[in-house]
Amino acid sequence: RKEVEQDPGPFNVPEGATVAFNCTYSNSASQSFFWYRQDCRKEPKLLMSVYSSGNEDGRFTAQLNRASQYISLLIRDSKLSDSATYLCVVTRSTYKLIFGTGTLLAVQP
Amino acid sequence: EAGVAQSPRYKIIEKRQSVAFWCNPISGHATLYWYQQILGQGPKLLIQFQNNGVVDDSQLPKDRFSAERLKGVDSTLKIQPAKLEDSAVYLCASSLVTSQGGEQFFGPGTRLTVL
Repeated sequence: RKEVEQDPGPFNVPEGATVAFNCTYSNSASQSFFWYRQDCRKEPKLLMSVYSSGNEDGRFTAQLNRASQYISLLIRDSKLSDSATYLCVVTRSTYKLIFGTGTLLAVQP
Repeated sequence: EAGVAQSPRYKIIEKRQSVAFWCNPISGHATLYWYQQILGQGPKLLIQFQNNGVVDDSQLPKDRFSAERLKGVDSTLKIQPAKLEDSAVYLCASSLVTSQGGEQFFGPGTRLTVL
């Protein structure tokens, strides 16, 4: 079983739609949680950190449930420019990033 | 501010040949990482340096892969000899600190094809 599991998609949604991605992690010792975004043939970039209290950045909302070892990302009012792969990431004590396989989002006009 | 630089951007070699990749991190970043990203997967950490010391190389295939970070700045990753399954993008990243809150900044990667 992979340490970080994500639905690979693709998620095909129309512009303006709300879309949610889920991620589960197996190591209860995981300490920090992030969503990274990776455009096609580009490098990953940090999208946002994820906290138990939930955090929001514009149209993006991330949530962490430590008891269920579950992380989510919600994108409201999808734009064409949101099309990318969204990588769920957890860390352990040495700040070693453990990546999921990523979820591909394609926003259609 | 200049980002993480990597070269070459693309490399095609035959199996059993050797190859080397170079990375220059963001100025002042003490921590440097090499990741391997196989098509359809997320990046996998190969090795992590703190200055010029190795912090984690548990997933580096040491029989064929080696990495060094002389003087705590630039780094090179070498594969010798290459296998078909080494075809991947090799990403270099750097960060200011190794604490949980430090963001990692990735370079554009080197796309390796082994024939």
